[in-house]
Amino acid sequence: EPEVTQTPSHQVTQMGQEVILRCVPISNHLYFYWYRQILGQKVEFLVSFYNNEISEKSEIFDDQFSVERPDGSNFTLKIRSTKLEDSAMYFCASTLEEQFFGPGTRLTVL
Amino acid sequence: GEDVEQSLFLSVREGDSSVINCTYTDSSSTYLYWYKQEPGAGLQLLTYIFSNMDMKQDQRLTVLLNKKDKHLSLRIADTQTGDSAIYFCAESPSGNTPLVFGKGTRLSVIA
Repeated sequence: EPEVTQTPSHQVTQMGQEVILRCVPISNHLYFYWYRQILGQKVEFLVSFYNNEISEKSEIFDDQFSVERPDGSNFTLKIRSTKLEDSAMYFCASTLEEQFFGPGTRLTVL
Repeated sequence: GEDVEQSLFLSVREGDSSVINCTYTDSSSTYLYWYKQEPGAGLQLLTYIFSNMDMKQDQRLTVLLNKKDKHLSLRIADTQTGDSAIYFCAESPSGNTPLVFGKGTRLSVIA
């Protein structure tokens, strides 16, 4: 069964460093998303991507975040200068109709 | 803005039925989802229902939708210890729009 994959599973970084989180969506899906879940809190929408551009973004998705589809398979989330409050689980999702989520990347900012 | 509410905890005995409830505010919600999250793991899509349906059954899972009251429930029959997890309700106006999640209900199954 096709699935969304994400790498790395866990990323530890120092405050102020740049991180790139990677996702491989399901191959025939057209819409891609990033969500985050701060420990013990709700899953929150960050950004959606369609036809090689951002289709919608939340207030959380400020100038320090960016997304890219550098090739036909990968979908990346970059955080330019990480802050302590960026520590969270980051989920990638893709959809044709219902949204399927990847296993997540746990980002720890020290 | 849209909001999705769930009770935070539910404890049941193994073999009993579990009922997890959810309410939502967005009247344009068309897709209503249930996801399962086991400790340290991702979000597993369990089932979803369209707003023009009242009920959907899939093996041990039954989803009931009361659109008038904007109330969604997930019933798990013959609950097993492997069902212990956090269950998230989520909604969206269409299949492509971002999901709005509830805070999740932690289901504990007692052997």
